[in-house]
Amino acid sequence: QKEVEQNSGPLSVPEGAIASLNCTYSDRGSQSFFWYRQYSGKSPELIMFIYSNGDKEDGRFTAQLNKASQYVSLLIRDSQPSDSATYLCAVNGVRGGSNYKLTFGKGTLLTVNP
Amino acid sequence: GAVVSQHPSWVICKSGTSVKIECRSLDFQATTMFWYRQFPKQSLMLMATSNEGSKATYEQGVEKDKFLINHASLTLSTLTVTSAHPEDSSFYICSASPNNQPQHFGDGTRLSIL
Repeated sequence: QKEVEQNSGPLSVPEGAIASLNCTYSDRGSQSFFWYRQYSGKSPELIMFIYSNGDKEDGRFTAQLNKASQYVSLLIRDSQPSDSATYLCAVNGVRGGSNYKLTFGKGTLLTVNP
Repeated sequence: GAVVSQHPSWVICKSGTSVKIECRSLDFQATTMFWYRQFPKQSLMLMATSNEGSKATYEQGVEKDKFLINHASLTLSTLTVTSAHPEDSSFYICSASPNNQPQHFGDGTRLSIL
């Protein structure tokens, strides 16, 4: 059974700090890795995706992938109160893979304190 | 980016009623769409994979006669909750993506059965 593990939190950081969200996955053949943000009462919103080992940066967000350790993380720099949400890690067995179902972690609740 | 539209956003109806939820890909064609359910403070649960022109693939434990899925065109999938009861009250979300692109979610449908 494919599993994606996340610390449920809550993770609390002060405004302006770096928030670090972590995710591990069990299927060594996984190819695509996604981070979604979900505000309370809303549907998930794609934040980042990464396919290759290393770092991928987009604005204040950096996704980091280490396939050897089966580990993917999301760093949020200069955290803002508006970043407070649940962050979902998702994994896919193919690259991109629009026709393949994602395996989701249970999510980490992030709270950024003003 | 890819836009997925879901309708209605909120439904309140009496027990025993059947409710239809629509999921549309607005600017791309989707041979596959996914239907999720999410209870309060819980993670996303994949219900089924909707396949254009063929039968949906249901996840273990999901009643196919209870949750009817129709994917009659490349831009529309529908989920019908038949003879809904209070325990079916939940947040229903669909997702889809263009070929080899990350999944994007609709805004979700909040279903309340009285």
